Amino acid sequence: KAGVTQTPRYLIKTRGQQVTLSCSPISGHRSVSWYQQTPGQGLQFLFEYFSETQRNKGNFPGRFSGRQFSNSRSEMNVSTLELGDSALYLCASSLGPDLRTDTQYFGPGTRLTVL
Amino acid sequence: SQQGEEDPQALSIQEGENATMNCSYKTSINNLQWYRQNSGRGLVHLILIRSNEREKHSGRLRVTLDTSKKSSSLLITASRAADTASYFCATALSGYSTLTFGKGTMLLVSP
Repeated sequence: KAGVTQTPRYLIKTRGQQVTLSCSPISGHRSVSWYQQTPGQGLQFLFEYFSETQRNKGNFPGRFSGRQFSNSRSEMNVSTLELGDSALYLCASSLGPDLRTDTQYFGPGTRLTVL
Repeated sequence: SQQGEEDPQALSIQEGENATMNCSYKTSINNLQWYRQNSGRGLVHLILIRSNEREKHSGRLRVTLDTSKKSSSLLITASRAADTASYFCATALSGYSTLTFGKGTMLLVSP
């Protein structure tokens, strides 16, 4: 089975621009989560989708949004980019909705640099 | 906020030595997971230990869980240079649909 894929792998944007990141989960997985990783804050949860519904959202401003499509693929969008948005954005998928029992598998990440 | 906190923050050893890293957490958990991340890449799932388990093995990895102390440890035996990575513990909270990660332990294994 193919793993979680994320596109693009690297992205350079300037302040004020908007960006869309894409994630394709492992085939059959219905839960997709997004995380932001920075040296200062570590891994922080952004949001989670299950069957096209956002079930949970982390403590991020409204500039961060996402969605999930019927084929479980997910996109996240960041509008009005700020320098502090420079980070590695990780997508993860799991088969089921309950991480007490289901393992989350991560993609390679998208490295976003905001200039 | 970080649920899991790894200790030490960084660890440097020689090939062939054992590496032990610890994770402490604050609230009751159903399971605790360990992940590895090579420099700037995605996370690789290593092992999941449930709250009713005390020890689990996977190859050269040994994980223990002490729910009374709210702590877990990851032991890597006979370390190799390829084990050089950051190691994170994670727990499921907040309605069970998110993982909360610690800040990680950076392990450097020198040849």
